[in-house]
Amino acid sequence: GENVEQHPSTLSVQEGDSAVIKCTYSDSASNYFPWYKQELGKGSQLIIDIRSNVGEKKDQRIAVTLNKTAKHFSLHITETQPEDSAVYFCAASNPMASGSARQLTFGSGTQLTVLP
Amino acid sequence: DTAVSQTPKYLVTQMGNDKSIKCEQNLGHDTMYWYKQDSKKFLKIMFSYNNKELIINETVPNRFSPKSPDKAHLNLHINSLELGDSAVYFCASSDGTAYGYTFGSGTRLTVV
Repeated sequence: GENVEQHPSTLSVQEGDSAVIKCTYSDSASNYFPWYKQELGKGSQLIIDIRSNVGEKKDQRIAVTLNKTAKHFSLHITETQPEDSAVYFCAASNPMASGSARQLTFGSGTQLTVLP
Repeated sequence: DTAVSQTPKYLVTQMGNDKSIKCEQNLGHDTMYWYKQDSKKFLKIMFSYNNKELIINETVPNRFSPKSPDKAHLNLHINSLELGDSAVYFCASSDGTAYGYTFGSGTRLTVV
């Protein structure tokens, strides 16, 4: 099955700096890679996703890059703000597969702290 | 309206007790999940139901028993609670694919 590794587990940055979180996956058939943000006391919210037919996707201060050859993808947050502080999860799946292979496999999470 | 709601939000109970966590979704999704998030923030899938049928059952002690009375509800019942069961449990739903996962706000279970 799929295995997703996520680094770092904790990340502290100064407000205004950039933050980068990296994930690697094992199943070359995976082609959908979402990122979730979990704020304290809340469920995880999808913040951005990327599919294997593109190498980069950007939404305001958030961007995701994908390297299918190396099987890794990264979340980039620019001009960080205190409200970006949260736990971020990457995930991978092959939505067109059958059975459990189509479900999301999550990384272990990154606690991002933006220092004012 | 909350899309995926789970209750209670907090649950403190003694070892050996039996407790239930309820989850309901109003998104019309066919698939629901239970995830366990431990103290290290790891998010691990426990169960998945599709139209009331169990499709994923990871290595979870049989003290944990999910019940899906209909496709909008997936409850988690835990027997003989142990200290190691302390964690945050998240319910989620989707259309059966990886797209459109929606999470509940979590239930923090503390076993004392």
